[in-house]
Amino acid sequence: KAGVTQTPRYLIKTRGQQVTLSCSPISGHRSVSWYQQTPGQGLQFLFEYFSETQRNKGNFPGRFSGRQFSNSRSEMNVSTLELGDSALYLCASRESAGGTTGELFFGEGSRLTVL
Amino acid sequence: QQQVKQSPQSLIVQKGGISIINCAYENTAFDYFPWYQQFPGKGPALLIAIRPDVSEKKEGRFTISFNKSAKQFSLHIMDSQPGDSATYFCAASRAGGYNKLIFGAGTRLAVHP
Repeated sequence: KAGVTQTPRYLIKTRGQQVTLSCSPISGHRSVSWYQQTPGQGLQFLFEYFSETQRNKGNFPGRFSGRQFSNSRSEMNVSTLELGDSALYLCASRESAGGTTGELFFGEGSRLTVL
Repeated sequence: QQQVKQSPQSLIVQKGGISIINCAYENTAFDYFPWYQQFPGKGPALLIAIRPDVSEKKEGRFTISFNKSAKQFSLHIMDSQPGDSATYFCAASRAGGYNKLIFGAGTRLAVHP
């Protein structure tokens, strides 16, 4: 079974631009979450989607947005990029949104550098 | 507000030794406490997890000890191996929000041969 796939793996943007990152969850997984990882702030929750609906949102500005498609694939978008948005963006999938079972599987991330 | 505090920041252990990483949490609503292992260039991978109804959980060389009254939990790696060298993160989440993990700052473990 293929793992969580994120594309692109690496990208470089300049301040003010926008970026879209893509995530394909493990087959059969319907819940997708996004995290930002930086050396200074560590791993921080961005948002969670299930059945195309955002269920939870972290403490990030509105420049960060996401969506989920009917096939459970997800995208996140960051508009008006700032230098501080440079980070590893991790996508994670899980079979369901609720319940007490089911491991959260992470992808290898998309490393964004903002110049 | 840092809701999960992790220590130490880095740890060096000799092969065969015991690695101990500690975490403390503030929110008593947390009821799921996983540990993740991350190698360079990879995403975090679940190592072991515990819920507050048990005080200890062991899987192979990895053990979680949980102290609900002190709001602390720790990871013990027995017989540490060079292949265990990685960054370890503790995390916590609330019931119904198991995808919204609050992570500790991480511990970089180096196991020397």
